[in-house]
Amino acid sequence: GENVEQHPSTLSVQEGDSAVIKCTYSDSASNYFPWYKQELGKRPQLIIDIRSNVGEKKDQRIAVTLNKTAKHFSLHITETQPEDSAVYFCAASRNFGNEKLTFGTGTRLTIIP
Amino acid sequence: DADVTQTPRNRITKTGKRIMLECSQTKGHDRMYWYRQDPGLGLQLIYYSFDVKDINKGEISDGYSVSRQAQAKFSLSLESAIPNQTALYFCATGLAGGQEQFFGPGTRLTVL
Repeated sequence: GENVEQHPSTLSVQEGDSAVIKCTYSDSASNYFPWYKQELGKRPQLIIDIRSNVGEKKDQRIAVTLNKTAKHFSLHITETQPEDSAVYFCAASRNFGNEKLTFGTGTRLTIIP
Repeated sequence: DADVTQTPRNRITKTGKRIMLECSQTKGHDRMYWYRQDPGLGLQLIYYSFDVKDINKGEISDGYSVSRQAQAKFSLSLESAIPNQTALYFCATGLAGGQEQFFGPGTRLTVL
C-alpha cells in the first residue's frame, strides 16, 4: 500500500518569512495530492491540492509543487502570518482522489510574531 | 449549512466496555470514512464506505467494527475497549468523483 512521509514534524518561522513542508510517497500510481490544515482544537480542512498532470499550483500565499519522478511534493507558504500557525497534513491517493487517502504524520507550524 | 456531526464529542470509558461513536451528515455525500488521530502519527484510516452496501477496512481496523445504517449515518464500534485506543476520532465524508473530504468535529475517547 501507499506510504507517505512528511518532514519536518515541527517548524517555527518568523512572521513574514516563508515556510516549506515536504512529503514523499511510495506508490507510483498515486496521482492526487491534497494538503489539509488543522488549527488547534479544530477539524482538518483542505487548503490546496494538486493532480499529477500539473507541476505547480498556487492560491494566494500558498503553493504546492510536485515532482513525479522523485515522488515528492511540497507545500510553500509565503509571507507567513500568525493565523498560519496550525498542523499541516499532506496526503496521497490514486484515481485523482476518488479512492482513500493516505496521510502523512503532520507538521506543526508555529509563526513567531 | 450542510455539515458532518459526531456524537459524543468526548467520552471516558473503562477497559473492556463496548463503545459506539456515531457520525451523521447532511451533505448528501455517498462516501464516509473513520480516522484515528494520535500525536505524531497523523490521520490513520480505520474503515471506509463508498455506499450503504460497501464497507472496507483501512490501515488499522483491528479492534474496530463499523455499520453504515443509511447514506447519512456511519457508526464506529469498539467491541472491547483497551487503553491504546485512547485517541481523537474523526469521521469524514466525500462525493464519488469528488476529491475533498469533509471532516466532522471529532470525538475524544479516553479508555482507562
